[in-house]
Amino acid sequence: GDSVTQMEGPVTLSEEAFLTINCTYTATGYPSLFWYVQYPGEGLQLLLKATKADDKGSNKGFEATYRKETTSFHLEKGSVQVSDSAVYFCALSDRGAGRRALTFGSGTRLQVQP
Amino acid sequence: EAQVTQNPRYLITVTGKKLTVTCSQNMNHEYMSWYRQDPGLGLRQIYYSMNVEVTDKGDVPEGYKVSRKEKRNFPLILESPSPNQTSLYFCASSLMGSNEQFFGPGTRLTVL
Repeated sequence: GDSVTQMEGPVTLSEEAFLTINCTYTATGYPSLFWYVQYPGEGLQLLLKATKADDKGSNKGFEATYRKETTSFHLEKGSVQVSDSAVYFCALSDRGAGRRALTFGSGTRLQVQP
Repeated sequence: EAQVTQNPRYLITVTGKKLTVTCSQNMNHEYMSWYRQDPGLGLRQIYYSMNVEVTDKGDVPEGYKVSRKEKRNFPLILESPSPNQTSLYFCASSLMGSNEQFFGPGTRLTVL
């Protein structure tokens, strides 16, 4: 079945540092890929997405490129802020799957220190 | 404002006492779904619904029931809760033509 693997957290960075959170996936079909962010005490918000190979999703300074050859969708940001502290989830949605479930990774907690 | 709402946000209950967590969306979405979030496991789908009166099991349906009598509402029912159902629950919805799901704020359930 489909699966998503994310790097273990927490990731602790200083403000303005470069961020990479690794995400790799396995899927039988042609999935769409997502990054969701969960701020403390809140629900999940869609951060960015990519629907086909070589697409780049971007939002709020975050970027991720859909790499079919390496089955990866790594999240990057050039300069993190304290306000980026949250839990980040990589997820996929297999278009061939009738029930349209999102398959999530286990989440990576990011802590940004001033 | 387009949103998914859940109630209650926090609930502490005891084993065996039936409870319902409500979910409502105002975006006229056909598709609705329930997930539970547990540490180290991410989110796992419990049940989903593709439209009114159409529901089906997700990955972890045991111990749960759902109903979809109206398009906007998708309640999650625990008829006899057990401590292993202590978790954070999220409702989500989307248009059938889209795989972008919108999530509610979550319900933290503790079963003693």
